[in-house]
Amino acid sequence: GENVEQHPSTLSVQEGDSAVIKCTYSDSASNYFPWYKQELGKGPQLIIDIRSNVGEKKDQRIAVTLNKTAKHFSLHITETQPEDSAVYFCAAGRGSAGNMLTFGGGTRLMVKP
Amino acid sequence: DGGITQSPKYLFRKEGQNVTLSCEQNLNHDAMYWYRQDPGQGLRLIYYSQIVNDFQKGDIAEGYSVSREKKESFPLTVTSAQKNPTAFYLCASGVGVRETQYFGPGTRLLVL
Repeated sequence: GENVEQHPSTLSVQEGDSAVIKCTYSDSASNYFPWYKQELGKGPQLIIDIRSNVGEKKDQRIAVTLNKTAKHFSLHITETQPEDSAVYFCAAGRGSAGNMLTFGGGTRLMVKP
Repeated sequence: DGGITQSPKYLFRKEGQNVTLSCEQNLNHDAMYWYRQDPGQGLRLIYYSQIVNDFQKGDIAEGYSVSREKKESFPLTVTSAQKNPTAFYLCASGVGVRETQYFGPGTRLLVL
């Protein structure tokens, strides 16, 4: 089955700096890669996603890049703000497997004011 | 107001007791999922359902049971066979073909 590894497990940045979180996946058939943000005590919220026919997608301060050959994808947050502090999860999935998602272990991002 | 609701927010289980967590969605999604999250960990799939009256086991189904009698509802029962039930339980629903999953606010289960 699919295996998703996420790094780093914790990340501390200064407000205004950029943050990058990286994930690798094992199943070359995976074609859908969402990113979720989870605040303390709440459910994960989808923040951006990318499909395998696209190499990069951007939404304001966040962007995701995908390298299918190397089987890795990354989340980029620019101009970080204290409210970006949360746990971020990447996931990989493919529709033919019943819309299953395999999640990475999460990254705790701390943005220091 | 569309979305996914989970209740209760906190649930306490006594030794040998079965407890049921509620998950309701009004997004008209076909697929629904239950995940377990332990402190500092990722999400692990317990059960999922692609359609009414049908569901499949996920990676950690032992000690849990589900039903899907209505499209909008997917309750999870934590049975007495689950020896380590303390965790944060998350329900999600999906738009089917496009694989996107949306999560509810979660239920925290604690053992007395």
